[in-house]
Amino acid sequence: SQQGEEDPQALSIQEGENATMNCSYKTSINNLQWYRQNSGRGLVHLILIRSNEREKHSGRLRVTLDTSKKSSSLLITASRAADTASYFCATDAGNAGNMLTFGGGTRLMVKP
Amino acid sequence: DAGVIQSPRHEVTEMGQEVTLRCKPISGHNSLFWYRQTMMRGLELLIYFNNNVPIDDSGMPEDRFSAKMPNASFSTLKIQPSEPRDSAVYFCASSTRQGATQYFGPGTRLTVL
Repeated sequence: SQQGEEDPQALSIQEGENATMNCSYKTSINNLQWYRQNSGRGLVHLILIRSNEREKHSGRLRVTLDTSKKSSSLLITASRAADTASYFCATDAGNAGNMLTFGGGTRLMVKP
Repeated sequence: DAGVIQSPRHEVTEMGQEVTLRCKPISGHNSLFWYRQTMMRGLELLIYFNNNVPIDDSGMPEDRFSAKMPNASFSTLKIQPSEPRDSAVYFCASSTRQGATQYFGPGTRLTVL
């Protein structure tokens, strides 16, 4: 079963606008990660936020984590056409081994 | 660093044939994961290994699927016999420690006719 569920499933915006994607999860976590997948490619890690952190930035990316609500958001500011991709959240629930549980993803389209 | 290497990149086969997918993880990574991705089911974890030992294969759909990791630098995922519903993109990923970033390979696009 999927631990993380992204919302919305699909998002279409104009270049220059901000894009916000949300992720909800069910159990307590050690950390939450966001990945990006371009069409026909493997997933690429974007950013990791630990359970004791509330906000993290990386370039045009801003991630927030609310452990009380079991939710996270990924904000991409000043979007570009090249940001068009699917974005996945993944949670580390401290299982035995190094397993991450991925959500269903948000398909982002940025129109030039 | 070459990253995670998967072969073949594309495989087209006929129903009933055996399919073997290969993966070389990043050197020094001690965890390896096999995923399957389809439009209908999204990204599914099939099996993962720690230090070459299978930890959880509960995601392997049927006995037709098997995976091995004979050493730290090589893993295979085998489907025998293959069926059209096995058509998907199969990804291999590796990581260094619990909860760490996973590095994905480019995937193998499998089509079973």
